[in-house]
Amino acid sequence: QSALTQPASVSGSPGQSITISCTGTSSDVGGYNYVSWYQQHPGKAPKLMIYDVSKRPSGVSNRFSGSKSGNTASLTISGLQAEDEADYYCCSYAGSSTYVFGTGTKVTVL
Amino acid sequence: QLQLQESGPGLVKPSETLSLTCTVSGGSISSSSYYWGWIRQPPGKGLEWIGSIYYSGSTYYNPSLKSRVTISVDTSKNQFSLKLSSVTAADTAVYYCAKLISSAVDYWGQGTLVTVSS
Repeated sequence: QSALTQPASVSGSPGQSITISCTGTSSDVGGYNYVSWYQQHPGKAPKLMIYDVSKRPSGVSNRFSGSKSGNTASLTISGLQAEDEADYYCCSYAGSSTYVFGTGTKVTVL
Repeated sequence: QLQLQESGPGLVKPSETLSLTCTVSGGSISSSSYYWGWIRQPPGKGLEWIGSIYYSGSTYYNPSLKSRVTISVDTSKNQFSLKLSSVTAADTAVYYCAKLISSAVDYWGQGTLVTVSS
């Protein structure tokens, strides 16, 4: 199991939209519709933002959306706000009840 | 509201066994459809899946850690535990316990830093 590949950093101005990619293989991202995304502020535990590729948990803003094409999943944040500045991690089911996380992306709001 | 709380030593010597317990409150660990897991994060680095357990005791481990990891559950205490043997400095990390639903972690503990050092 190798970590899923994410860009190290993504930035945008308030109000803009940004997209974070998460690239894996046919054994994880491409093989299952079980990709989740987590937001982590410094010193805090991660928070679930998206699960099952595109589902939002109750209480998560609809500015966050997820999608998948082939071996790459994506998280889009629209209407970027200062509070969205954080680290974001993707995670995919990898078969046999195992999971693999992405390398993480630091989102900066300019 | 479900809450998870990690507990255990914050300092472990190299070659020894790291042991942590997660106490679940506000809900039963025996609830069907839920898995319980452990995830770690070395300082300044990304998240790593360690493994998970079903209340029945079925376990699933990260292949890269499988030879050193044991996860167990104690339904009578509403707790589950992690043991990681033969630790090295590379095992220094914040360890999170977690609840899974539909292949995602919807509840996290606050995390506990475990340092491996002599």
